[in-house]
Amino acid sequence: AQSVTQPDIHITVSEGASLELRCNYSYGATPYLFWYVQSPGQGLQLLLKYFSGDTLVQGIKGFEAEFKRSQSSFNLRKPSVHWSDAAEYFCAVGPWGTSYDKVIFGPGTSLSVIP
Amino acid sequence: EPEVTQTPSHQVTQMGQEVILRCVPISNHLYFYWYRQILGQKVEFLVSFYNNEISEKSEIFDDQFSVERPDGSNFTLKIRSTKLEDSAMYFCASSEDGGTEAFFGQGTRLTVV
Repeated sequence: AQSVTQPDIHITVSEGASLELRCNYSYGATPYLFWYVQSPGQGLQLLLKYFSGDTLVQGIKGFEAEFKRSQSSFNLRKPSVHWSDAAEYFCAVGPWGTSYDKVIFGPGTSLSVIP
Repeated sequence: EPEVTQTPSHQVTQMGQEVILRCVPISNHLYFYWYRQILGQKVEFLVSFYNNEISEKSEIFDDQFSVERPDGSNFTLKIRSTKLEDSAMYFCASSEDGGTEAFFGQGTRLTVV
């Protein structure tokens, strides 16, 4: 069955520390992978996406993610977290050349940042 | 920067009442979507709309739900007779080409009491 798991429900990091949010997926076809962020009171904003090419993808706000096919993972990283990064983060997967009605979202990881 | 806007941001309704959630997609986009997120759960696809008709819908999107693009700018989700379990955050999204990226609104939190 197709699924996306985000093992960490909630993560707390200190401002300036590095961050890694985990995402694992189960998908039968070549996946199209996304990370979205939802700040309080805001909609879902696309941070980055991957469907082919370099497995290390750069996104907005200083985020990057690495696709590891052998591990079925697409972890999100940031070298130095800012207080404004506190938000909910969603990993999502869809079929290659996806239509958004086929995209499956993970349960989300809530990030808190302490000064 | 163009954005998807949703109104209202929060709606409280009594069980059995009809609600209409409104969305203004980005103006040159052609594909429109509704998703919902029950508190503490995943974001789930409800329905997609293209060329003035539903192109896909999920099992959640039963006869109580309908969508409409009544004019050139609005995209609405109607729930005919709300149930307690319809309480959720509802997201509208639009996409220019249906594949590369969808832009999401800020959501409408629906509370059914």
